Amino acid sequence: GEDVEQSLFLSVREGDSSVINCTYTDSSSTYLYWYKQEPGAGLQLLTYIFSNMDMKQDQRLTVLLNKKDKHLSLRIADTQTGDSAIYFCAVPSGNTPLVFGKGTRLSVIA
Amino acid sequence: KAGVTQTPRYLIKTRGQQVTLSCSPISGHRSVSWYQQTPGQGLQFLFEYFSETQRNKGNFPGRFSGRQFSNSRSEMNVSTLELGDSALYLCASSWDALDADTQYFGPGTRLTVL
Repeated sequence: GEDVEQSLFLSVREGDSSVINCTYTDSSSTYLYWYKQEPGAGLQLLTYIFSNMDMKQDQRLTVLLNKKDKHLSLRIADTQTGDSAIYFCAVPSGNTPLVFGKGTRLSVIA
Repeated sequence: KAGVTQTPRYLIKTRGQQVTLSCSPISGHRSVSWYQQTPGQGLQFLFEYFSETQRNKGNFPGRFSGRQFSNSRSEMNVSTLELGDSALYLCASSWDALDADTQYFGPGTRLTVL
């Protein structure tokens, strides 16, 4: 089945850019997603990219997709303390609506 | 437009008991998926319902079951609770989960089994 891998921790200074990386194994995925989870909350859809795109920009968020290497990244420009959260990469796979990575905990240092 | 709602938000049960969790999807959405989130295993797919039919199920024992009603609301049930069932249970709604439609999540129900 699908395997989605993410690094577990990232620490950045306020105002810097954050880059969260994800690799996946199922190349047939049509959309690839990024979700954000704040403490004690559910999952908030951040953004997504269609598999025939290389890049998608949405305000401070930039998603890059390298289909050849099955690599997805999320860049957050001008990172703020309010961006501190866990970020999940998620990919549909076969009959499973979403397969998630373990999540990357982003800590923003003021 | 109201988002996905889940009730209750918190539950405390003891081993051996059973529990029922409820999820109301976004109006118009017909697909409801359930996920279990634990620190050790992360987010794992439980099952997905569409138009009152379970279409897919993850790798969970038969103690985990669910159903969907004609108004698309869904419930999941866990019988004979075990300590390892302590988790955050999240439901997500979409137009059609198997059509790769975007899934929107509720706030979750945190279940603690003592």
